[in-house]
Amino acid sequence: AQSVTQLDSQVPVFEEAPVELRCNYSSSVSVYLFWYVQYPNQGLQLLLKYLSGSTLVKGINGFEAEFNKSQTSFHLRKPSVHISDTAEYFCAVRGGRRALTFGSGTRLQVQP
Amino acid sequence: DADVTQTPRNRITKTGKRIMLECSQTKGHDRMYWYRQDPGLGLRLIYYSFDVKDINKGEISDGYSVSRQAQAKFSLSLESAIPNQTALYFCATSDLLQGPDTQYFGPGTRLTVL
Repeated sequence: AQSVTQLDSQVPVFEEAPVELRCNYSSSVSVYLFWYVQYPNQGLQLLLKYLSGSTLVKGINGFEAEFNKSQTSFHLRKPSVHISDTAEYFCAVRGGRRALTFGSGTRLQVQP
Repeated sequence: DADVTQTPRNRITKTGKRIMLECSQTKGHDRMYWYRQDPGLGLRLIYYSFDVKDINKGEISDGYSVSRQAQAKFSLSLESAIPNQTALYFCATSDLLQGPDTQYFGPGTRLTVL
């Protein structure tokens, strides 16, 4: 079985401040990890993914995430956020051939 | 034109009615998925299809059925709608070559069951 826990349902932050969105996973097999973003009134789009190799993964819009196997975490970070980053962010995991399992989401609210 | 389209975009119906949500894609992808999104619960997988003859139940398939009419079309049916099926429904596609994890989502269908 595989599961994802997003520890924060909402994260308020001021513009140009750094942000970290937390994600922990569990899986009985090797995992692939993802972050998706959902802008208001839109479907989800892929932000970044970890399949293998370097544990630091860079994605679109200046986001990056670090895979930490010992802590079973895949936290998303951005050094300086913009108003346009306001959205809901979903961490997801896939183990083996199974389809993706999504976390409950973290709403990032960037304030001026 | 959008690559993944969903119809209708909004639907209000009554308990007990049969509802069909449709998804079409022009991406040429072999894999298609149906999810529902509820506040605080994220996205939960209802059904997925790896090709026309390969359909699989997701974590919350009870009360739903699907039909993969062609590679480009994947429909979700609620045989007898109930209020707790009120949710935002998303269709998604993916391609074997890019991997099943780079999923492309439609704009969603907001379904309200009264």
